[in-house]
Amino acid sequence: EPEVTQTPSHQVTQMGQEVILRCVPISNHLYFYWYRQILGQKVEFLVSFYNNEISEKSEIFDDQFSVERPDGSNFTLKIRSTKLEDSAMYFCACSLSAGGGMPKNIQYFGAGTRLSVL
Amino acid sequence: GDSVTQMEGPVTLSEEAFLTINCTYTATGYPSLFWYVQYPGEGLQLLLKATKADDKGSNKGFEATYRKETTSFHLEKGSVQVSDSAVYFCALSGYNQGGKLIFGQGTELSVKP
Repeated sequence: EPEVTQTPSHQVTQMGQEVILRCVPISNHLYFYWYRQILGQKVEFLVSFYNNEISEKSEIFDDQFSVERPDGSNFTLKIRSTKLEDSAMYFCACSLSAGGGMPKNIQYFGAGTRLSVL
Repeated sequence: GDSVTQMEGPVTLSEEAFLTINCTYTATGYPSLFWYVQYPGEGLQLLLKATKADDKGSNKGFEATYRKETTSFHLEKGSVQVSDSAVYFCALSGYNQGGKLIFGQGTELSVKP
């Protein structure tokens, strides 16, 4: 069964450093998402991406964050200058198109990248 | 804004016990409702879904019914197994809101033999 692949599984970085979290979504899926889960808290939506641009972003997704689909297969989340409070599990997800510019309502998730900011 | 509230965990049950995990939601319009499961070391997997009132989602012996009158989507299973030990997330997707999921806080289930 096709799956979403996220690398690395665990990333340790120093505060102020840039990190790039990588995701390979399922091929032929057109909608892409990032979520995060701070330890002990809810899974929170960060951003959705379709047709090479951001569709929606949450309040969390400030200027320190960016997303990119640099080629036909990867989808990346960059944090420009990490803070201690960015420590969390980051999940990538994708979904098929339902047509009419809307995604199907089933999302497929990767196993996540645990980001530890020291 | 839209939100999801789940019962606190962890929940510990003996094998073959009955499981209920409560989930209530607040949303405008007619959201779609989901249960996702996360097994240790893995990503979130869709367990079941319901897209309109009174729909019942079911999978692997788990069931949940979309109750608009009580804004609930409780997860149930008649007889749990050790292999059901995981974290369960209730989530909603608002109608015509671009697909983003809003999650509850997750409920950890531990099933003992």
